[in-house]
Amino acid sequence: QKEVEQDPGPLSVPEGAIVSLNCTYSNSAFQYFMWYRQYSRKGPELLMYTYSSGNKEDGRFTAQVDKSSKYISLFIRDSQPSDSATYLCAFLSGNQFYFGTGTSLTVIP
Amino acid sequence: EAGVAQSPRYKIIEKRQSVAFWCNPISGHATLYWYQQILGQGPKLLIQFQNNGVVDDSQLPKDRFSAERLKGVDSTLKIQPAKLEDSAVYLCASSLAGPSPMSYTFGSGTRLTVV
Repeated sequence: QKEVEQDPGPLSVPEGAIVSLNCTYSNSAFQYFMWYRQYSRKGPELLMYTYSSGNKEDGRFTAQVDKSSKYISLFIRDSQPSDSATYLCAFLSGNQFYFGTGTSLTVIP
Repeated sequence: EAGVAQSPRYKIIEKRQSVAFWCNPISGHATLYWYQQILGQGPKLLIQFQNNGVVDDSQLPKDRFSAERLKGVDSTLKIQPAKLEDSAVYLCASSLAGPSPMSYTFGSGTRLTVV
């Protein structure tokens, strides 16, 4: 079983839609739960991070962590064409980052 | 605050040739990382430096890859000889001290194509 599983997509939605991106993990030692956004030909940039179960909201973005089910989600409300990118879930355990494979999202105007 | 600088942005080489990538981290960041990101995959850590010492190089293919961080600032990653499967984006990242999500910053990467 892989430590991190992420549906690669691609996902295509109309502008204004609610987007749900998900990852599952198997390592109970993960301490931080993160979402990165990666535009084409750019490095990943941190979107949100949390270290506890529950929801964390930042503008149109909500990160959700369920440690009991080992499942994290990122919700994007009122999606915009500028949200078109690859979204990577990431986890931190000790000194080591673990990345998902990324989900490619396209928001169609 | 200037970001993580990487050069070159793109490189095309023939297999068995050598190539080097350069990274300048954010000023004051003690920890520097090199990642390999193959198309359609997440970044895979190659090596982590704390100042100019190696913390983790367990996933670095040492028969062909080498990296150094002299003086604890900028770093170079070298591949010699390159193979077709080395085609990827090589990302450099830095953080203040250790893998803190808040300060962990990636550069734009060097896209390597081996033909």
